[in-house]
Amino acid sequence: QKEVEQNSGPLSVPEGAIASLNCTYSDRVSQSFFWYRQYSGKSPELIMSIYSNGDKEDGRFTAQLNKASQYVSLLIRDSQPSDSATYLCALKDGSARQLTFGSGTQLTVLP
Amino acid sequence: DAGVTQSPTHLIKTRGQQVTLRCSPKSGHDTVSWYQQALGQGPQFIFQYYEEEERQRGNFPDRFSGHQFPNYSSELNVNALLLGDSALYLCASSFFRPGRADLQETQYFGPGTRLLVL
Repeated sequence: QKEVEQNSGPLSVPEGAIASLNCTYSDRVSQSFFWYRQYSGKSPELIMSIYSNGDKEDGRFTAQLNKASQYVSLLIRDSQPSDSATYLCALKDGSARQLTFGSGTQLTVLP
Repeated sequence: DAGVTQSPTHLIKTRGQQVTLRCSPKSGHDTVSWYQQALGQGPQFIFQYYEEEERQRGNFPDRFSGHQFPNYSSELNVNALLLGDSALYLCASSFFRPGRADLQETQYFGPGTRLLVL
C-alpha cells in the first residue's frame, strides 16, 4: 500500500525567503507526482506536476523528484504572504486511477 | 471554459439519513473521481467513474455509491450517514486516454461539498 509522508508543520518562513516542502513515499512504482495548494476552507488547487527525475520550474515554484530516494520536494522562491496555505503532495502510478495524498504541510509566510 | 462544479456547497444531515452530492466535470473531461477529506487530513479516494462505470474503488463501505451520466456528470450517494462521514467531499475531473494508462491524468478539483452529520 502506498504511503505518502509529509511534515505537517507548521512551517514558517519570512516574506521573500525560500520555502522548502518535502514529501517521501513508500512504493517504487509511482510514476506521476503532483503538488496541490489548499487554502483554508477551499479545495485543492494544482500547482505543479512532475514525472521525471530532476527539477521542473514554473515561475516561483520548483519541483524536484528523485525516484531512487523516493523523494519529491517543492521549493517556493520569494515567498509571499499569499502563499500561506496547506501544500499537499500526491502520487499516482500507471495502473491505478487514483491519487494518493499525504496529509499536507501547513506553510505560513510572515510579512 | 467552465471548471469543475459541485452542488450543494454545504449540507447538514442527521445520522441515518441519506445524501446525494453532484458534480459536473471540466469541459472536455470524461472521468470523475470522488474524494473524502476529513479535517487536517489529505483527500482519501472513494471511487472513480469513466464511461458510466465505476472503474476503481478505494477503501470505503458499500454505503458509498455513485453514478455517472452520459454527459459525464456524476453523483455520490451516501446511505445511513454516520457522524464520521462529516467531511469535505471533493470531485475531481480528468481526461482518460484509453490504452495509455501510463500517461499522466491530471486531476482538477471542484470547490467541494462540506457535509456535516449531526
